[in-house]
Amino acid sequence: EVQLVESGGGLVKPGGSLRLSCAASGFTLSSYNMNWVRQAPGKGLEWVSLITVSNNNIYYADSARGRFTISRDNAKNSLFLQMNSLRAEDTAVYYCARLGSSSNAFDFWGQGTMVTVSS
Amino acid sequence: QSVLTQPPSVSAAPGQKVTISCSGSTSNIGNNYVSWYQQLPGTAPKLLIYDNNERPSGIPDRFSGSKSGTSATLGITGLQTGDEADYYCGTWDSSLSAGVFGGGTKLTVL
Repeated sequence: EVQLVESGGGLVKPGGSLRLSCAASGFTLSSYNMNWVRQAPGKGLEWVSLITVSNNNIYYADSARGRFTISRDNAKNSLFLQMNSLRAEDTAVYYCARLGSSSNAFDFWGQGTMVTVSS
Repeated sequence: QSVLTQPPSVSAAPGQKVTISCSGSTSNIGNNYVSWYQQLPGTAPKLLIYDNNERPSGIPDRFSGSKSGTSATLGITGLQTGDEADYYCGTWDSSLSAGVFGGGTKLTVL
């Protein structure tokens, strides 16, 4: 069974940092492009970042570029999001999402981890 | 302001049909595949439709997708109270080099 389990969320002050992790099981992470998607309280989905299977291509939303860094450890079947210079508007549930190998869609999602940026 | 435009809400009676529209541009919907997601209250999104009109295994054929030009549509027939959820369209934007979603549509089954 495919599972994605996020961790690392919490309360952080503006300007602070957090590192989110996503542990994958039930499939080989190295074979899939992986994403982070966030959802602010009461708001819609916002795509954050994509990392391709071989790390050859990494993409960021404008809101994340320069502050967030996506990475993966295929040996540990894990995806990461390093978030620096956090702002109040980064407060959201952060989901890791797998891009299907034969579909151009997020076919599996984790349950999400909450990040709250507040003083 | 989302790159893709969806109606904020739609409603219909149980057993009826509803459609949800998703409007974009040539840089996103016009030249890339569209997917649709269902988000039940308090849960993570779930893939409903991929590659414009394909259903993952386990998704009933009450759910359908279509695309024409720079717009896409999600159709749901035989509405059930359990279909009450937020629905999002998504695709890749080739100009932005970024994933994009619609603002979401809240479905109420009256």
